[in-house]
Amino acid sequence: GAVVSQHPSRVICKSGTSVKIECRSLDFQATTMFWYRQFPKQSLMLMATSNEGSKATYEQGVEKDKFLINHASLTLSTLTVTSAHPEDSSFYICSASGTGDFDSDTQYFGPGTRLTVL
Amino acid sequence: QKEVEQNSGPLSVPEGAIASLNCTYSDRVSQSFFWYRQYSGKSPELIMSIYSNGDKEDGRFTAQLNKASQYVSLLIRDSQPSDSATYLCAVNMLGYSTLTFGKGTMLLVSP
Repeated sequence: GAVVSQHPSRVICKSGTSVKIECRSLDFQATTMFWYRQFPKQSLMLMATSNEGSKATYEQGVEKDKFLINHASLTLSTLTVTSAHPEDSSFYICSASGTGDFDSDTQYFGPGTRLTVL
Repeated sequence: QKEVEQNSGPLSVPEGAIASLNCTYSDRVSQSFFWYRQYSGKSPELIMSIYSNGDKEDGRFTAQLNKASQYVSLLIRDSQPSDSATYLCAVNMLGYSTLTFGKGTMLLVSP
């Protein structure tokens, strides 16, 4: 149980293009989803928290106009990196917490999306 | 400032030994505590959670929580080379939906 999927697992794009990453909770309703970024050999960095049907709450220093987050349903959240540049190349990981048989404050992570911007 | 502190390691143990990973946290009203394992290039996976003082065992893993000392630990018995990874301690502070993560301890289990 508590499975979170991400798509795509890996994406390579040209500078200036936009990339959308999907995060899905497969077997539970995710009332809250989180987006993290991790650079090589560095810690997880929380980018934003989103609740279903509400605007995302962004962490300090994260540009909300560049990293668009949508949490339209209890099983799907999307992160769109707009006008991506090489410095946006990173490992993007979503996590979800929810209701049901799972502890509501436990976060279950997706497998991550490795973004490379050329 | 909410802080979760972990020794970065690496912690090196021989196969079959007990690995002891430690974590301290700054906020006294923290209520939920988690251990995640992260292999290189992969996302974190939940090992276990603990909410009450004392020990919680799950297979080869035992989490220990001492709220008075603001300390949580993870013991791995009969360590295997496949346990070599970075172990992340995470704490949920009262009133927050987010987790505060430590920087992780790298564990190396040698055959």
